[in-house]
Amino acid sequence: EPEVTQTPSHQVTQMGQEVILRCVPISNHLYFYWYRQILGQKVEFLVSFYNNEISEKSEIFDDQFSVERPDGSNFTLKIRSTKLEDSAMYFCASSVVAGDNEQFFGPGTRLTVL
Amino acid sequence: QKEVEQDPGPLSVPEGAIVSLNCTYSNSAFQYFMWYRQYSRKGPELLMYTYSSGNKEDGRFTAQVDKSSKYISLFIRDSQPSDSATYLCAYKDTGRRALTFGSGTRLQVQP
Repeated sequence: EPEVTQTPSHQVTQMGQEVILRCVPISNHLYFYWYRQILGQKVEFLVSFYNNEISEKSEIFDDQFSVERPDGSNFTLKIRSTKLEDSAMYFCASSVVAGDNEQFFGPGTRLTVL
Repeated sequence: QKEVEQDPGPLSVPEGAIVSLNCTYSNSAFQYFMWYRQYSRKGPELLMYTYSSGNKEDGRFTAQVDKSSKYISLFIRDSQPSDSATYLCAYKDTGRRALTFGSGTRLQVQP
């Protein structure tokens, strides 16, 4: 069964450093998303992406965040200058079409900022 | 007022029991509701989604939406120890991409 994959599973970085989290969405999916979950808190929406554009973003997704689909398979989330409060699980998700209510999540990348 | 509320649990039941998990929501305009299961330190796994009111059944799982009382439920029949996880309810507004999640209910099924 096709699934969303994410790398790395765990990333440790120093405050102020840039990190890139990588995702490979399900191959025939066209909509891509990033969510995060701070330990013990809710899963929160960050951004959705379609046709090489951001289609929706939350207040959390400020100028230090960016997303990119550098090739036909990968989808990345970049955090330019990490802060301690960026420590969280970051989940990538994908769905087939617009308005599709079935978003499939990857296993997540645990980001630890020291 | 929180948009979606869930009892955090933990809810502990014996194997084979019928489990009822519930969420309340605040905005009567919400249309699409989902249930996800999340094992510890894993990604959310989509179980079911429903549109508007009514029931939807898939194997041992039944999702129910009661729009008049703004209540959504997930029933698990013949619960198994492998069902032990955190169950997240979520909704999506028409025309939006973002899912909004509840805080989750932790379920423990005792063998």
